[in-house]
Amino acid sequence: DGGITQSPKYLFRKEGQNVTLSCEQNLNHDAMYWYRQDPGQGLRLIYYSQIVNDFQKGDIAEGYSVSREKKESFPLTVTSAQKNPTAFYLCASTHDRGANYGYTFGSGTRLTVV
Amino acid sequence: GNSVTQMEGPVTLSEEAFLTINCTYTATGYPSLFWYVQYPGEGLQLLLKATKADDKGSNKGFEATYRKETTSFHLEKGSVQVSDSAVYFCALSDSNFNKFYFGSGTKLNVKP
Repeated sequence: DGGITQSPKYLFRKEGQNVTLSCEQNLNHDAMYWYRQDPGQGLRLIYYSQIVNDFQKGDIAEGYSVSREKKESFPLTVTSAQKNPTAFYLCASTHDRGANYGYTFGSGTRLTVV
Repeated sequence: GNSVTQMEGPVTLSEEAFLTINCTYTATGYPSLFWYVQYPGEGLQLLLKATKADDKGSNKGFEATYRKETTSFHLEKGSVQVSDSAVYFCALSDSNFNKFYFGSGTKLNVKP
């Protein structure tokens, strides 16, 4: 079955470390997105990419970086510059900019700073 | 600009009660509108959608009608079940800008 796979499901980071969250899709979608969700909060856009080798900053890009070397993959790196990285991270994709079919979401990665 | 406003939660109902979760939006152009559901510890799942004014989206007993005149997309269900307990997000897609705009989410608790 087609879908989006996020890994790992749980991730623990020490202060000052960079960590990378994986997002892979086999839906042949062009556009991919990263969102951050804090407890009891809505979703905030971190980065998005509409085509391979191109991506744009979202509303809260500081302290994060991404790459889009392959259509299927859109990894997110949480750098040590992100001062409050503990959150639930969601990856999404769509093939028509979301207008008719919406986004397909992964099951999320919960990142905790220890 | 584009934005989505949802009613504050949590909403607590008894099983078989009628559900309404209000959603209003501000948008340029002609957005598509969506409701997503999120169960604890999981990602968001598309519940229903409407792509133009007066369209009614429906799924699993849930319904929402795209009302352009009132800029609303309220979610309704005639008889909720305990298994409907989740967080519900209203969202709009403005294809011109390639972005989704989400509401803050409304938590629904259904008691047996």
